[in-house]
Amino acid sequence: DGGITQSPKYLFRKEGQNVTLSCEQNLNHDAMYWYRQDPGQGLRLIYYSQIVNDFQKGDIAEGYSVSREKKESFPLTVTSAQKNPTAFYLCASSSGGVHNEKLFFGSGTQLSVL
Amino acid sequence: SQQGEEDPQALSIQEGENATMNCSYKTSINNLQWYRQNSGRGLVHLILIRSNEREKHSGRLRVTLDTSKKSSSLLITASRAADTASYFCATGRRGATNKLIFGTGTLLAVQP
Repeated sequence: DGGITQSPKYLFRKEGQNVTLSCEQNLNHDAMYWYRQDPGQGLRLIYYSQIVNDFQKGDIAEGYSVSREKKESFPLTVTSAQKNPTAFYLCASSSGGVHNEKLFFGSGTQLSVL
Repeated sequence: SQQGEEDPQALSIQEGENATMNCSYKTSINNLQWYRQNSGRGLVHLILIRSNEREKHSGRLRVTLDTSKKSSSLLITASRAADTASYFCATGRRGATNKLIFGTGTLLAVQP
């Protein structure tokens, strides 16, 4: 089945710890995205990548880092500099292009602070 | 600030009734999309309407777009309990390649 896989589903972070959220897609999509969702809120863009080895900051990139070494993978690291990391994190992909085509989402990772 | 703002924030209806949700936005757009999210899950794309279109249908969904008023509406006809979810609009802005901006969502509860 084609799709986007996020892991783990639940993740706990201790103070001062970096944690990495995994996102893998087999849709052959060029573009990938990370969004953060807080309770009762919409989605806010953290980082996005339109092509391998290239990525751009979104609206709330501080305290996060990403890499795009492979087309299929776009991991997100939540660093200790992110002081309020508790949220639901969603990875998405799209075929790319300039016309803001539809996004395909993973099932999300709930990150909580111990 | 959010590009899209949905209205109402929450809506409760009986099965079989129609549900209407509205979305307003602020800047020029390439397209406007609607997504659905079941609790604790990822979003699922429902429908995309381009800036040169005024109305689009998909099954029980009807979307309208009024670019002069910078607003869109999503109508779900003959609602079912399984339609219970949050619904988000997302706008693709002109000149902002591949950046969709999401609204805060409407929580729809369909009572059986």
